[in-house]
Amino acid sequence: AQRVTQPEKLLSVFKGAPVELKCNYSYSGSPELFWYVQYSRQRLQLLLRHISRESIKGFTADLNKGETSFHLKKPFAQEEDSAMYYCAIEGNYGQNFVFGPGTRLSVLP
Amino acid sequence: EAEVAQSPRYKITEKSQAVAFWCDPISGHATLYWYRQILGQGPELLVQFQDESVVDDSQLPKDRFSAERLKGVDSTLKIQPAELGDSAMYLCASSLDREKDGYTFGSGTRLTVV
Repeated sequence: AQRVTQPEKLLSVFKGAPVELKCNYSYSGSPELFWYVQYSRQRLQLLLRHISRESIKGFTADLNKGETSFHLKKPFAQEEDSAMYYCAIEGNYGQNFVFGPGTRLSVLP
Repeated sequence: EAEVAQSPRYKITEKSQAVAFWCDPISGHATLYWYRQILGQGPELLVQFQDESVVDDSQLPKDRFSAERLKGVDSTLKIQPAELGDSAMYLCASSLDREKDGYTFGSGTRLTVV
């Protein structure tokens, strides 16, 4: 069964500093990976997915199959980026969607 | 923007009582999910529906939890009897094209069992 780990429960950075939220996964097949975000008092929502190779709100994530990682990065953090970030993996045929434990990002002024 | 509706927002119940949560997915979304999120942890899938059929309920504690989606639209998740350890946020999500749009989550029902 697939598994997602996010080693940092809390990450604090100063505004304008680079940020990297780590995500590692274990899965024997070809997974699909996602980052979801939950801002204070808002719903959990999709931030980005690896198949689209897009940049959302300045965030990017690269799938590294060798290291089984999907770290989320942003070169210059903003205060409005403060939120809970969840890495998630989906197995073949849309089954077994699993979230990581989450990392709380706090961007300090 | 279309939303996944959940009710109630908050529920406090006594141990051993029955409790039920309701979810109305976005119109047209065939796939519906119930997740449980314990404080400090990521959401954990309880059950997945495709239309009215259960696709995956391997993580659902079937001795006390049940879920139904009789007409393939809205869904109800029930716990009977509730236990202290069931205190959590219960999230409903739906999807149409998961590869393109991912899952759309509701605002959740926060359950406290006392």
